Amino acid sequence: EIVLTQSPATLSLSPGERATLSCGASQSINNYLAWYQQKPGQAPRLLIFDASNRATGIPARFSGSGSGTDFTLTISNLEPEDFAVYYCQQRSNWPYTFGQGTKLEIK
Amino acid sequence: EVQLVESGGGLVQPGGSLRLSCEVSGFTLSYYWMHWVRQAPGKGLEWVSFIHTDGTTTRYGDSVKGRFSISRDTAKNTLFLQMNTLRAEDTAVYYCVRDGGNVGFDYWGQGTLVTVSS
Repeated sequence: EIVLTQSPATLSLSPGERATLSCGASQSINNYLAWYQQKPGQAPRLLIFDASNRATGIPARFSGSGSGTDFTLTISNLEPEDFAVYYCQQRSNWPYTFGQGTKLEIK
Repeated sequence: EVQLVESGGGLVQPGGSLRLSCEVSGFTLSYYWMHWVRQAPGKGLEWVSFIHTDGTTTRYGDSVKGRFSISRDTAKNTLFLQMNTLRAEDTAVYYCVRDGGNVGFDYWGQGTLVTVSS
């Protein structure tokens, strides 16, 4: 099973700042990585697929990068609605796995 | 508009069974891979099960293998998850998810809560 490790566990920033979230895979997953955002009481929402492609309707301030084992989600110019939990997920190998999540909180 | 609506959750005793349903609309169920993903209270996301467009190829996470079974009824546009021999650690919100192919898990239901407790 591929293990995804997200860091940091919690990130405290202010609106307008830049957030950098990391996701490391225990073995190469090529670019088969997605990022999801989850707000309290809601289902996750797809942000990024195949490491760097924004899903439909996702603002340009969200960007993804990386390949192989190291991936990054960057949120530039944080908006109040961006404070949430973010998960990475790999679909390179079965079973599909998620990272443990990074909570982005308001400082 | 794509919609996924889960139902069937509730309180069940350890060792019991429950069948979750997910009625979909706005797309053809047989054209997409479908998954179940769960989230224990206050915890992260865990992939549970998958069904291929062929309707017969399935996969399961190790924690549910042999106890859970995924299926679908394309005439009713409904996905199912039969859960047997339930354990306390199966307590979670269960999400029905559409797999958009290379775009990832693009549509999620609102989830249904399963609580396993005596």
